[in-house]
Amino acid sequence: QVQLVQSGAEVKKPGASVKVSCKVSGYTLTELSMHWVRQAPGKGLEWMGGFDPEDGETIYAQKFQGRVTMTEDTSTDTAYMELSSLRSEDTAVYYCAIGIPEWFDPWGQGTLVTVSS
Amino acid sequence: EIVMTQSPATLSVSPGERATLSCRASQSVSSNLAWYQQKPGQAPRLLIYGASTRATGIPARFSGSGSGTEFTLTISSLQSEDFAVYYCQQYNNWLKTFGQGTKVEIK
Repeated sequence: QVQLVQSGAEVKKPGASVKVSCKVSGYTLTELSMHWVRQAPGKGLEWMGGFDPEDGETIYAQKFQGRVTMTEDTSTDTAYMELSSLRSEDTAVYYCAIGIPEWFDPWGQGTLVTVSS
Repeated sequence: EIVMTQSPATLSVSPGERATLSCRASQSVSSNLAWYQQKPGQAPRLLIYGASTRATGIPARFSGSGSGTEFTLTISSLQSEDFAVYYCQQYNNWLKTFGQGTKVEIK
């Protein structure tokens, strides 16, 4: 079965970038469709983007286009999500999740990113 | 963007009772709807996909129904481990959206 293990918590200053990793085990990344979802403190879930296997491309939610980059290192079966120009509103737990291909299962444990001056 | 609206925001239920959660889409999503359970400090867990198909390992007390714009998640007899927040998610188009969640709390 697929397991996802994410990198640890990060504290960043406004304007900086953060790169969160998600290590896959049990399957190879090339067999999977990786997505990223975030959750601000006490708030709901927000889909940021993910790999569309029909088009073979990564699709980003319009809200994050230009600020987010999702990449994969197939040699290590690790996915990455980089978010730039951070602001306080980006403080959230960021989850990686496998798209099957449109609903999400399983999820990583989450990575807390705190943006604070 | 398809807006998903869940109701109620909070549902107070006694253990053993039935819980009925609603999710409404701003436009038809056919049966392209999933439900997730999230407990404090944990990642969401898939419960239902295709509006009514239980995910692997999900107990039969969880059931989903609906199509188009109106959906329901029913928990037939609440167990202590079921008190959590539940989210619906549509995947009818490339922009996937979640509802704001329903918290099921102990009455």
